[in-house]
Amino acid sequence: SQTIHQWPATLVQPVGSPLSLECTVEGTSNPNLYWYRQAAGRGLQLLFYSVGIGQISSEVPQNLSASRPQDRQFILSSKKLLLSDSGFYLCAWSVVSGGSPLHFGNGTRLTVT
Amino acid sequence: EDQVTQSPEALRLQEGESSSLNCSYTVSGLRGLFWYRQDPGKGPEFLFTLYSAGEEKEKERLKATLTKKESFLHITAPKPEDSATYLCAVQAPSGAGSYQLTFGKGTKLSVIP
Repeated sequence: SQTIHQWPATLVQPVGSPLSLECTVEGTSNPNLYWYRQAAGRGLQLLFYSVGIGQISSEVPQNLSASRPQDRQFILSSKKLLLSDSGFYLCAWSVVSGGSPLHFGNGTRLTVT
Repeated sequence: EDQVTQSPEALRLQEGESSSLNCSYTVSGLRGLFWYRQDPGKGPEFLFTLYSAGEEKEKERLKATLTKKESFLHITAPKPEDSATYLCAVQAPSGAGSYQLTFGKGTKLSVIP
């Protein structure tokens, strides 16, 4: 069966520090991979998605970037965090076809101080 | 632009008191409507996919239905462990063979013993 791992679960970082969140998927090949941010009262916002190694699409201009160095690895990064980057970050995967649901990891709660 | 509206925002039920959650949507070319359950501090957990009007899916005390404009999540004789936020999402083509998922803001369900 497929599993998705996301870490760390919580993170407190000072403004201006770098960020690296990692997500890996097991039990499937060539998945679509996604990074979402969830803010209270605003729902789930798609940040990045990837349909293959090295292929990244950005949905929202921001202080963040994403990379996919391996088929089942997805990384969310920032060179300098802003206070507004605080939030709950979720990684997800899906099979490569329309009508397939996304499967989410357990998220990272990021607090920028 | 695809839109998903969930109502009510919050719902308190007594244990055993059946009710329904609503998900109204506007989308061009629906590929699927998804229901998720999200517990505090966790990622959304996939529940159901509905593809066409008239379709129904059931799992334990939950039953999801779909019309051309809305979906309902019926909860029969709920228990306290059904307390969670329930999210609805619609998927539609976004061009170049890719698909976009639009989430509602969720309904927070509380079941009181």
